[in-house]
Amino acid sequence: QKEVEQNSGPLSVPEGAIASLNCTYSDRVSQSFFWYRQYSGKSPELIMSIYSNGDKEDGRFTAQLNKASQYVSLLIRDSQPSDSATYLCAVICGTSYGKLTFGQGTILTVHP
Amino acid sequence: GAGVSQSPRYKVAKRGQDVALRCDPISGHVSLFWYQQALGQGPEFLTYFQNEAQLDKSGLPSDRFFAERPEGSVSTLKIQRTQQEDSAVYLCASSLGRLLHTDTQYFGPGTRLTVL
Repeated sequence: QKEVEQNSGPLSVPEGAIASLNCTYSDRVSQSFFWYRQYSGKSPELIMSIYSNGDKEDGRFTAQLNKASQYVSLLIRDSQPSDSATYLCAVICGTSYGKLTFGQGTILTVHP
Repeated sequence: GAGVSQSPRYKVAKRGQDVALRCDPISGHVSLFWYQQALGQGPEFLTYFQNEAQLDKSGLPSDRFFAERPEGSVSTLKIQRTQQEDSAVYLCASSLGRLLHTDTQYFGPGTRLTVL
């Protein structure tokens, strides 16, 4: 079992819809959780971080964390074609020096 | 201000050649990470520096991989006797290094290595 797993894609949603991206992790001592966006041929860019259970909202993005279920998700409201990218879930284990452990990524396509 | 820069952006090597990949972190960033990203996969951790000290090299896939950061700023990832399975994008990231578990890591554009 991979340490961080994301729902298999690709995910396709119409413009204006809500895109839901999911991620599970296996290490119970994980304490920091991140969502990165990566456009094709570009480097990952941080869009959300979350450290405690519950929801965290930033504009059209909402991250949700449930440590008991070892689950983290990202909701994108009012999806735009410019949101089309690969979304990477990443986790920092409490015993590490801050290295990110990434999932395999979910490709999101928002079609007009 | 300037972000993380990496050079070269693209490198083609013949199998068995040695390559050196350079990373210039954001000025003042204490922490520096190297990741390897295979096509269609998420990045995988290779090694971590805090200033000039290499504190974690658990992700280096073999003893052909070597990294250094001698003055605590620029870092070089060296791959000896390259193999086809080394073909990937090599990403460098830096962070302030004050709170390791919450610091934002800023990624460079990567070096795409192709081994023929």
